[in-house]
This record gives sequence, structure tokens and C-alpha cells, in this order.
Amino acid sequence: RKEVEQDPGPFNVPEGATVAFNCTYSNSASQSFFWYRQDCRKEPKLLMSVYSSGNEDGRFTAQLNRASQYISLLIRDSKLSDSATYLCVVNGGGFKTIFGAGTRLFVKA
Amino acid sequence: DAMVIQNPRYQVTQFGKPVTLSCSQTLNHNVMYWYQQKSSQAPKLLFHYYDKDFNNEADTPDNFQSRRPNTSFCFLDIRSPGLGDAAMYLCATSRDEGGLAGDEQYFGPGTRLTVT
Repeated sequence: RKEVEQDPGPFNVPEGATVAFNCTYSNSASQSFFWYRQDCRKEPKLLMSVYSSGNEDGRFTAQLNRASQYISLLIRDSKLSDSATYLCVVNGGGFKTIFGAGTRLFVKA
Repeated sequence: DAMVIQNPRYQVTQFGKPVTLSCSQTLNHNVMYWYQQKSSQAPKLLFHYYDKDFNNEADTPDNFQSRRPNTSFCFLDIRSPGLGDAAMYLCATSRDEGGLAGDEQYFGPGTRLTVT
């Protein structure tokens, strides 16, 4: 089993749609969690940190379920500019940072 | 603007010819990381520095070395590049002042390495 697993994708959605990505992690001692966005041939950029209480930033909502070792990202009212690969990132302690393989999103007009 | 800078953006080297990639940061962050990312794969952590303390991932090949002469600069040395080392190499930094390893990371634009 991979340490961090994500929905394989790709997700093809129309503009305005709501889309959800899931991520599971295997290390129950993991300390911190993030969602990054990566555009084609560019570096990953932090989208949002994921807190136990859940957090929201505009159209983006992240949730963490420690009991199920599960993280989610919800994007509402998708825009063309949301097309990218979304990477789930888990810090397992001691600076050991593990990236998921990413989920590709294509938003169509 | 504070940032993470990588040079060069594109590097071509010959099989077996040593190559050095550089990273600098103006964020004054304690931690610097090097990742390898191959096409359609996740970034894979090679090693990191917490200040001057070097930490190698267990599965990082010996062919890969790193130096951090000061807070701002970090180098990735590939001693004898093979065809399988062609990839994007990403440098990242994080604050982690408390050593809790919980802070988000900021990435440079990457260096795309081609091995001929």
C-alpha cells in the first residue's frame, strides 16, 4: 500500500461544477497535511493547509478525518483556471514529506 | 519579493558527467529540501537540511549529494548522471523554527535535467 494515495483521475468537469478529491494516508502518526496545486511543467504551489477542524478558502474546502486517515478537497463553481494537478501532501514527522501521485482536473467551457 | 530561485532552469549533461544544480532562497527559512520529480509522478524527497544538519532519505542513491554552505544556498550534486536521472529537480524551503516539521513548503521553479 502506498503511503499517500489519491483518486487517480483525470476528472473532466464543466465550468461551474463541484468536484471533490480524496486522499488517504497510511501513517497514523502523520502530523500535518496540505493540498498543493501543480500546473503542467511548473512547480507545486501551496493551495491550502488542512486542519482537524476543516478549513475553507473561497471556493475551496479541505477536510481532515484522522480516525479514517482521510483528507478531502472540495472545489465549488469550478473555473477553467482550476485545471491542474492537485497533490495531497502528508508530513509523517521528522520532515518526512510524502506527496501523493496527484489527481488531474480538467475544467471545460 | 522573497522567493526560492533555482539555476539553471534547464540543464543538459552527458551520461556520467558530474552536474551541480543550485538553489537559493531569500525567505531565511531553516529547512531546505531537494525533490526529484519524473513525468506524471509525485515529487520524491531526496534529502533535506535543517540548518546545517543533513538528512538523507533511505532510498536516495549515493550518486546524489548535497551541500549547504550557508542559510541561503543549497546545491544538488549528481556525481555520475545516468539516463534514469533525467527529471525535474525541485528545491523547497520551510520555516520550521520549532523543528516540528509542520510548516508548508515553498518551491522553486525547478531545474529540468536532460541526460544524453
